[in-house]
Amino acid sequence: GEDVEQSLFLSVREGDSSVINCTYTDSSSTYLYWYKQEPGAGLQLLTYIFSNMDMKQDQRLTVLLNKKDKHLSLRIADTQTGDSAIYFCARQTGANNLFFGTGTRLTVIP
Amino acid sequence: KAGVTQTPRYLIKTRGQQVTLSCSPISGHRSVSWYQQTPGQGLQFLFEYFSETQRNKGNFPGRFSGRQFSNSRSEMNVSTLELGDSALYLCASGLRSGANVLTFGAGSRLTVL
Repeated sequence: GEDVEQSLFLSVREGDSSVINCTYTDSSSTYLYWYKQEPGAGLQLLTYIFSNMDMKQDQRLTVLLNKKDKHLSLRIADTQTGDSAIYFCARQTGANNLFFGTGTRLTVIP
Repeated sequence: KAGVTQTPRYLIKTRGQQVTLSCSPISGHRSVSWYQQTPGQGLQFLFEYFSETQRNKGNFPGRFSGRQFSNSRSEMNVSTLELGDSALYLCASGLRSGANVLTFGAGSRLTVL
């Protein structure tokens, strides 16, 4: 979806925090998602946030939503080599069709 | 609880042939959506089925079609295959139509020669 943008690449050192950013243009989004995709695999749902929330924390993952700026971020604490993957943000309106960003390839350096 | 099951996982076809892909949603889920993932276009929505009816459709030609059975299992069909149809086809399962959390299967990787 051309209205969901992400940076293409991010490299972090093992043990550091990773922050993956996403911006979107349509304010009618209901749910906003973060999915993880490893090579040759499908999409693994990491977490999601409803549009009336500002923050959601789930173990090492923290999602921040700034509705005014239409900005979504995913913070991964204590990043591990197993976190290396492509991360997609997606927005959903009232229907079950998701609009995906281009994906951010996270590389964790040991 | 079993996840979303897609079959086959891999297949190779030649131009002009047709292909049918299958998706079994999570037990109790009644919505199935299909997505196409390619390196050039990324992830794009194909269509959604709920209660055996197509509820939403993306911007794909009529060669792409689907259906849903009474047990919520869904199939998608691509006729007259083109090289550009080579992609990972993903289905997503949801409890209902409308905004709700979607869970994806591992996908079916189609290669068209």
